[in-house]
Amino acid sequence: QQQVKQSPQSLIVQKGGISIINCAYENTAFDYFPWYQQFPGKGPALLIAIRPDVSEKKEGRFTISFNKSAKQFSLHIMDSQPGDSATYFCAARKGSGGGNKLTFGTGTQLKVEL
Amino acid sequence: KAGVTQTPRYLIKTRGQQVTLSCSPISGHRSVSWYQQTPGQGLQFLFEYFSETQRNKGNFPGRFSGRQFSNSRSEMNVSTLELGDSALYLCASSQDGPNYGYTFGSGTRLTVV
Repeated sequence: QQQVKQSPQSLIVQKGGISIINCAYENTAFDYFPWYQQFPGKGPALLIAIRPDVSEKKEGRFTISFNKSAKQFSLHIMDSQPGDSATYFCAARKGSGGGNKLTFGTGTQLKVEL
Repeated sequence: KAGVTQTPRYLIKTRGQQVTLSCSPISGHRSVSWYQQTPGQGLQFLFEYFSETQRNKGNFPGRFSGRQFSNSRSEMNVSTLELGDSALYLCASSQDGPNYGYTFGSGTRLTVV
């Protein structure tokens, strides 16, 4: 059972453009939603995270938009750069008592072209 | 501050053998989790340890096991290796609490032949 659905699978964006990756979840017990960035040969690195009591969080060029009623959240990368080319994963974690187990989306391969 | 260290980085094993992977978390992190990453299945949760106790377990067969030591270092073991166990095994450590995220290591690439 895939509890976190991520789209698109791959994305090509021009330098300076906006990259948008979407995720949807099913389990309303999730209360922490991070995004990870992974480069080839490396482990995923935490990019930005949000909790459901906030509708938007921005850190530099990266913004998470969160829609609790629709059970959806998205990552926006503004002014996309070739160095942003990587695989991005959304994830979700259950609240108290759930420990630190994350359920990941299937990943989006982003390529930023010059 | 040192990151999460996983050893070895690469490993080639034969079907039927067993393997032990090691993870040293960030100093002060008591939660250590393990994930299997494959192109087909993505990132799949194996288990989480906190203060030497298994706190969460994923849907993997009993051939996959782990443990955590008093210094928070963790090991995972896979017995009777199968070809399908070929994957990148990632360890992640975290402080405990609702607002802390994982820091992942670079992983151990296991190839079963």
